[in-house]
Amino acid sequence: DGGITQSPKYLFRKEGQNVTLSCEQNLNHDAMYWYRQDPGQGLRLIYYSQIVNDFQKGDIAEGYSVSREKKESFPLTVTSAQKNPTAFYLCASSIDLEGREQYFGPGTRLTVT
Amino acid sequence: AQKITQTQPGMFVQEKEAVTLDCTYDTSDQSYGLFWYKQPSSGEMIFLIYQGSYDEQNATEGRYSLNFQKARKSANLVISASQLGDSAMYFCAMRNSGYSTLTFGKGTMLLVSP
Repeated sequence: DGGITQSPKYLFRKEGQNVTLSCEQNLNHDAMYWYRQDPGQGLRLIYYSQIVNDFQKGDIAEGYSVSREKKESFPLTVTSAQKNPTAFYLCASSIDLEGREQYFGPGTRLTVT
Repeated sequence: AQKITQTQPGMFVQEKEAVTLDCTYDTSDQSYGLFWYKQPSSGEMIFLIYQGSYDEQNATEGRYSLNFQKARKSANLVISASQLGDSAMYFCAMRNSGYSTLTFGKGTMLLVSP
């Protein structure tokens, strides 16, 4: 089945540690995205990538980093510089930047204590 | 700057009734797209319906329809014949022409009762 996988579903880390969230897609999509969702809020864009080895900052990129070494993979690293990292993180992809529909993964809930 | 406003934090509806979820948007662009997504308690985002700013007819997808009023800058989602499985958060989103990214509203929680 084609789709987007994010692992793990739940992730716990101590403050001051970097953590990497996985996102893999087998839809052959060029564009991939990372969003953050806080309770009672909509999604906010962290980073997006339109093609391998290229990515752009979104609205709230500070304290995050990404890489796009393979078309199907777009991992997100939450660094210790991110002041409020506890949140629900969603990865998405679309056929390209003009793609009408974004397909979302199941999300990773990160808790930092 | 783009902005999406969903003024209803929560809505209640009885099974089999229709419900309208409100969405207004703000943009200075002439070309844009409007989306509705459903987010069940599991957390995934499910695409429901899309309306382009130049589409002459309101979009429909099964029990979902989008009441698009361009002059009012509103894009309300209408769910006909609500089902218990429709209970979820619903998000309105917009993408401006030339931009790949979506701007989301804060969402409306819909609860469908038997």
